Amino acid sequence: EPEVTQTPSHQVTQMGQEVILRCVPISNHLYFYWYRQILGQKVEFLVSFYNNEISEKSEIFDDQFSVERPDGSNFTLKIRSTKLEDSAMYFCASRGGGLNEQFFGPGTRLTVL
Amino acid sequence: GENVEQHPSTLSVQEGDSAVIKCTYSDSASNYFPWYKQELGKRPQLIIDIRSNVGEKKDQRIAVTLNKTAKHFSLHITETQPEDSAVYFCAASPWLNTNAGKSTFGDGTTLTVKP
Repeated sequence: EPEVTQTPSHQVTQMGQEVILRCVPISNHLYFYWYRQILGQKVEFLVSFYNNEISEKSEIFDDQFSVERPDGSNFTLKIRSTKLEDSAMYFCASRGGGLNEQFFGPGTRLTVL
Repeated sequence: GENVEQHPSTLSVQEGDSAVIKCTYSDSASNYFPWYKQELGKRPQLIIDIRSNVGEKKDQRIAVTLNKTAKHFSLHITETQPEDSAVYFCAASPWLNTNAGKSTFGDGTTLTVKP
């Protein structure tokens, strides 16, 4: 069964450094998402992407964040200058058309020191 | 924007009892309502979902009901087992073909099933 994959599974970085989180969505899906979950809290929407552009973004997704779909398979989230409060689990998700489910990747745990 | 409220935040039941978790949403444009089970350190796993044109859906021990007028939906788990212990999240999503949209999650319910 096709799955969303994410790399790395765990990323440790120093405050102020740039990180890139990578995702490979399910191949025939059209809609792509990034969510984050601070430990013990709910899943929060960051950004959605369709037709090579951002569809929607949350207040969390400020100028320090960007997304790219550089080729036909990868979907990346970049944080330019990480802050301590960016420490969280980041989930990528993808969805086909219609009223169908999102498929979540296994997540990348980001730790900012 | 969408606001999803979920209750209760914690729920403890005896094995074999039923568990009910309730959510309300605010945006009438939401048309897809999934429920996720999340174990510690893992991704949210879809356990059941319901679309806005359906009032109830059942899958073995799990059922979901949706009241569009009142903007609330509920998860029912019958004959609970210790392995049902986890955090459960509801979500509401306005899926359109022209826009990726987003899912808005509830705060989660920690379900503990005591043997």
